[in-house]
Amino acid sequence: GENVGLHLPTLSVQEGDNSIINCAYSNSASDYFIWYKQESGKGPQFIIDIRSNMDKRQGQRVTVLLNKTVKHLSLQIAATQPGDSAVYFCAENINGRETSGSRLTFGEGTQLTVNP
Amino acid sequence: DAGITQSPRHKVTETGTPVTLRCHQTENHRYMYWYRQDPGHGLRLIHYSYGVKDTDKGEVSDGYSVSRSKTEDFLLTLESATSSQTSVYFCANSPGQGALETQYFGPGTRLLVL
Repeated sequence: GENVGLHLPTLSVQEGDNSIINCAYSNSASDYFIWYKQESGKGPQFIIDIRSNMDKRQGQRVTVLLNKTVKHLSLQIAATQPGDSAVYFCAENINGRETSGSRLTFGEGTQLTVNP
Repeated sequence: DAGITQSPRHKVTETGTPVTLRCHQTENHRYMYWYRQDPGHGLRLIHYSYGVKDTDKGEVSDGYSVSRSKTEDFLLTLESATSSQTSVYFCANSPGQGALETQYFGPGTRLLVL
């Protein structure tokens, strides 16, 4: 999409395949993680979240895996559809406080393209 | 759903002019945020608010000010716009139940400073 980086990592998949989008996060003290989807010309849309006391969480067609040992987060999308084409961001919560709510740091995103 | 609207959605202005962007929420959430999104930098926090008249700086606050006089509105002002402030600006909110909360985003304002 035109809102985001010109040199984003890209992932191209065939419709119906499963997609895996990866994210390396920076802070071992991060305690909360979110995946967002951003379509061209729109704001980021919440997909799924996970707290650091979990290593897996499932939603509708999506699964997030968290590996704290290597500070890695992944988003799996089952049976990928053309409507899944977008930029996907991971965000980590660092030093959230009661006075600020969550304090998120965002990755730069991965462009997912689904080919019919 | 964030229940957020942003206005204007698009704006072109000249260097040195003041600009105010408005964020309006219908959800009565306690926390509100302003981000900018630029190629190569992702989303970066400008300012945030944790209640009416309670605001604080984010990582890229220079050249920006904010105000929150009522729960539903969070204004971002560029006192004297510069070309480096050309960007897409997103407002976000979160309910205010604690520190580990999802943030929900508005549709964005595309600002071009000539």
